Amino acid sequence: GAGVSQSPSNKVTEKGKDVELRCDPISGHTALYWYRQSLGQGLEFLIYFQGNSAPDKSGLPSDRFSAERTGGSVSTLTIQRTQQEDSAVYLCASSLEGGLLYYGYTFGSGTRLTVV
Amino acid sequence: AQKITQTQPGMFVQEKEAVTLDCTYDTSDQSYGLFWYKQPSSGEMIFLIYQGSYDEQNATEGRYSLNFQKARKSANLVISASQLGDSAMYFCAIGGGSYIPTFGRGTSLIVHP
Repeated sequence: GAGVSQSPSNKVTEKGKDVELRCDPISGHTALYWYRQSLGQGLEFLIYFQGNSAPDKSGLPSDRFSAERTGGSVSTLTIQRTQQEDSAVYLCASSLEGGLLYYGYTFGSGTRLTVV
Repeated sequence: AQKITQTQPGMFVQEKEAVTLDCTYDTSDQSYGLFWYKQPSSGEMIFLIYQGSYDEQNATEGRYSLNFQKARKSANLVISASQLGDSAMYFCAIGGGSYIPTFGRGTSLIVHP
């Protein structure tokens, strides 16, 4: 597609429920990143996928968080047993290749998650 | 490890004036890139400008320029002739050998008419 697409744009869920957030990167982009942005805060790295390599999960805050990327394209971030502190905007970004800095990173519009 | 520091939580500027947003960085990589992103109230992250660590010239993109001082590890964003639409959060970021860009906490810019 023309840009990075994220769905849903907004999600309200009850505490304890599981949620799935989807990211569809730009076609041909091999690198995909998930970030979390809490209200008024910067971007917190969560996970990084590069091609068929094992993902870098070093930013995942707990084992309730997991992500997968199917076929080197669409990625799903899953949060199990959601807590109120999980409320944030979840941003996905993709780039042509992780190491090619010149091309930068293109972000989606994010999913605003609210846990009530 | 990489680190970005943005010390100005908020900045105000009069329309049509220039403004400088500060960014300092730390990295152990020899080759790295510095980025600035704009995040309006709608939430999307908009790429503004890129500076490579080996680029000798400061990057410019329209009204945006990046004042790169490698020895001081600073990469300040200069916005000339500010417009009301420039009001937004601005994030500085660094990418390098770890392939995972690190972002600063951001600076909120408000442009007054």
